[in-house]
Amino acid sequence: GESVGLHLPTLSVQEGDNSIINCAYSNSASDYFIWYKQESGKGPQFIIDIRSNMDKRQGQRVTVLLNKTVKHLSLQIAATQPGDSAVYFCAVSPGNQFYFGTGTSLTVIP
Amino acid sequence: GAGVSQSPRYKVAKRGQDVALRCDPISGHVSLFWYQQALGQGPEFLTYFQNEAQLDKSGLPSDRFFAERPEGSVSTLKIQRTQQEDSAVYLCASSWAPGNTIYFGEGSWLTVV
Repeated sequence: GESVGLHLPTLSVQEGDNSIINCAYSNSASDYFIWYKQESGKGPQFIIDIRSNMDKRQGQRVTVLLNKTVKHLSLQIAATQPGDSAVYFCAVSPGNQFYFGTGTSLTVIP
Repeated sequence: GAGVSQSPRYKVAKRGQDVALRCDPISGHVSLFWYQQALGQGPEFLTYFQNEAQLDKSGLPSDRFFAERPEGSVSTLKIQRTQQEDSAVYLCASSWAPGNTIYFGEGSWLTVV
């Protein structure tokens, strides 16, 4: 199986600042990782993914970092905007199934 | 279709009623997942299909929960004799192949009264 935890259940940032959301996992066999954004009343929306053969991947305003040694990954959001306010989940897969953490609720202060 | 479609979006059931939740995955997607999400929690795995085969149902909480995908496309999650603790959002997700990105629908919100 897999156990996924997030370091902070809530995070508040000023608009324009950078945000960092963390996630820890337990199974060293996990090889695929996805970050999702979930707005109120909606399903999780794919943001960015990374496989275990990489340690960094960048998208538009988002970067995912993977540290397999300590089984930790993070999501960095640059120049955080009010529209980024949501709950963020990491999903970890050691095979076909995905395991989710409890999520970090990000609030952007205008 | 363009995305994963779930119906109904909202369902209120009286305790003891049976409910059926439908999922239309993205066209051509082989893998289909059902998750349960309680308020303030992350999605919890229920079951997984590859085409019409149910390969993993280890997350189904009791024998009142049953899922099927008879033709390898549309899937139905059935909950018999609903109880209050079944109240949650039921999320369906699909991916084009095992081990690939899974895309979620908007969920079916079940409230048992």
